Amino acid sequence: DVKVTQSSRYLVKRTGEKVFLECVQDMDHENMFWYRQDPGLGLRLIYFSYDVKMKEKGDIPEGYSVSREKKERFSLILESASTNQTSMYLCASSGTGIYQPQHFGDGTRLSIL
Amino acid sequence: AQTVTQSQPEMSVQEAETVTLSCTYDTSESNYYLFWYKQPPSRQMILVIRQEAYKQQNATENRFSVNFQKAAKSFSLKISDSQLGDTAMYFCAFMKDFGNEKLTFGTGTRLTIIP
Repeated sequence: DVKVTQSSRYLVKRTGEKVFLECVQDMDHENMFWYRQDPGLGLRLIYFSYDVKMKEKGDIPEGYSVSREKKERFSLILESASTNQTSMYLCASSGTGIYQPQHFGDGTRLSIL
Repeated sequence: AQTVTQSQPEMSVQEAETVTLSCTYDTSESNYYLFWYKQPPSRQMILVIRQEAYKQQNATENRFSVNFQKAAKSFSLKISDSQLGDTAMYFCAFMKDFGNEKLTFGTGTRLTIIP
């Protein structure tokens, strides 16, 4: 089974801090994704990566950056955390081809105080 | 840009009943893919069922089936013989085409199965 592991289940940080959310997948997937999940808004794509060192902006990239130095790891960075970034963050990965579903991690509930 | 609309924020049904979750979408693409994902209270999202737009036959996976109406841009999920384990958030999602594996999600429907 595909395993997507997010480093923290719950995280509390302060306004202005630099925050790192880590995601690791064990299936040699090319594609990795970071979503933000908010009540009433569903999941919104922040960034995705289709290869090592490659990234593409999603629908809501402002205030975030990403890093993918190794194929299995995709990091989401909040450069200067703000209270409106309090949310649930979901990481996903998928292969490429005719059909490859996205596999999700358990999520990180991030609170910015 | 594609949009996905789920008009039922919450639903509840008795165990063993059948329930239908609605999803509509808007796109100018002719070929695309549609998905239903389930997020149980433990939070890990899992794929329930998928449909290719070029296939007229509705997809089925055990107790889960879809009613895909391409002209109406509608993609509803039917759960038959509902079970307590079906309690979850359900998200409808759209993918434009392969080579661009980004998903656009709806806002979700919280389904509660009542014992």
